[in-house]
Amino acid sequence: KAGVTQTPRYLIKTRGQQVTLSCSPISGHRSVSWYQQTPGQGLQFLFEYFSETQRNKGNFPGRFSGRQFSNSRSEMNVSTLELGDSALYLCASSEFVAGANEQFFGPGTRLTVL
Amino acid sequence: AQTVTQSQPEMSVQEAETVTLSCTYDTSESDYYLFWYKQPPSRQMILVIRQEAYKQQNATENRFSVNFQKAAKSFSLKISDSQLGDAAMYFCAYRSALTGNQFYFGTGTSLTVIP
Repeated sequence: KAGVTQTPRYLIKTRGQQVTLSCSPISGHRSVSWYQQTPGQGLQFLFEYFSETQRNKGNFPGRFSGRQFSNSRSEMNVSTLELGDSALYLCASSEFVAGANEQFFGPGTRLTVL
Repeated sequence: AQTVTQSQPEMSVQEAETVTLSCTYDTSESDYYLFWYKQPPSRQMILVIRQEAYKQQNATENRFSVNFQKAAKSFSLKISDSQLGDAAMYFCAYRSALTGNQFYFGTGTSLTVIP
């Protein structure tokens, strides 16, 4: 099976703009989670989607939003970008939402806000 | 919210030697799962090992093993016979049995393997 894919891999935006990141999970995986990774904070949970429904949401402002489509592909959107939004955004997919199931991570999208 | 603490930002180990990475966590829950993930310089995170909290036996995967101390809320990773390919960022993660796939990660330990 193909792994988790994320597009684009790199993005450069300016403050105030908005951005949309895309994630395609492993075939058959219906759970998709998003994380923000920064050097100082590590990985911070953004949100999780399962079967097109948001199941969990992390402590991020409303500028961060996401959605999941019927084919399990997911997008996250960040509006009114701030310098502090510069980070690596990781998407992870899982087959299940219970048990010690593993999350499979994509390569990430590197967002730079100027 | 649960917190995961990795107190060693950087560690180094000689090739073929053993190294232990520390992780502690804070939770009031009794049922949860713990994970160690590895992130090599290419950035793709991969699972190293996992532990169910209800299991007393420590998990082992080849050269990787954990020391799970539930009462102390400690979950350390031991890497035996270290290899150059073990060089990476290692993240400890916690997942509740109640809240789906919301993982809480530590800030990571950067492991250097010295030839």
